[in-house]
Amino acid sequence: QAHMVESGGGLVQPGGSLRLSCAASGFYFNYYGMYWVRQAPGKGLEWVAFMESDGSKYYRDSVRGRFTISRDNSRNTLYLQMSSLRPEDTAIYYCATNRDAIADWGQGTLVTVSS
Amino acid sequence: DVVMTQSPLSLPVTLGQPASISCRSSQGLVHSDGNTYLNWFQQRPGQSPRRLIYKVSNRDSGVPDRFSGSGSGTDFTLNITRVEAEDVGVYYCMQGTHWPPWTFGQGTKVEIK
Repeated sequence: QAHMVESGGGLVQPGGSLRLSCAASGFYFNYYGMYWVRQAPGKGLEWVAFMESDGSKYYRDSVRGRFTISRDNSRNTLYLQMSSLRPEDTAIYYCATNRDAIADWGQGTLVTVSS
Repeated sequence: DVVMTQSPLSLPVTLGQPASISCRSSQGLVHSDGNTYLNWFQQRPGQSPRRLIYKVSNRDSGVPDRFSGSGSGTDFTLNITRVEAEDVGVYYCMQGTHWPPWTFGQGTKVEIK
């Protein structure tokens, strides 16, 4: 049973940076692609980034060049480095597994971008 | 990008009665590998999303059999045969065929009348 725990969220000023982590267990992490998906307060779900098991990376247009997805297979951990943060990046950020597209989700971590 | 359109956006239902949510995609969702990557998620109040259905009609482990998915091409449906109180929440469809990006519907809020 896949289990993910996100951390690293918090309050940051516009233009600031933050690194999110997603600690995974219960499955062979190395084998699976992993996603970051976000949800702004009271809004729907929005895909942010995806990293395949072979290292290929994909980003939505609004975060490309500002966010970087990475993973450490030795630690079973997925990361999202976020820089040049904007108020519209305020959201709960979830990591999720790739099993016939988006499958299992963590509990999320809240990122608030505000002065 | 593939646009996913759900209807209705709000669905008041009576306990024990059926419910149905429609999801339409702006393009057909058959992948070159022959699969159709259309998933359904449930998000209960204050919780993370949970996948219910994958590849149109396959129930995930532990999902009650009152939930079923159907459809093809650009038209898909999530059905609940008899709504229970624990089914209250927001339901999202999502396509994983034409990526990036992976795209979600706007969500359908299910509430008890």
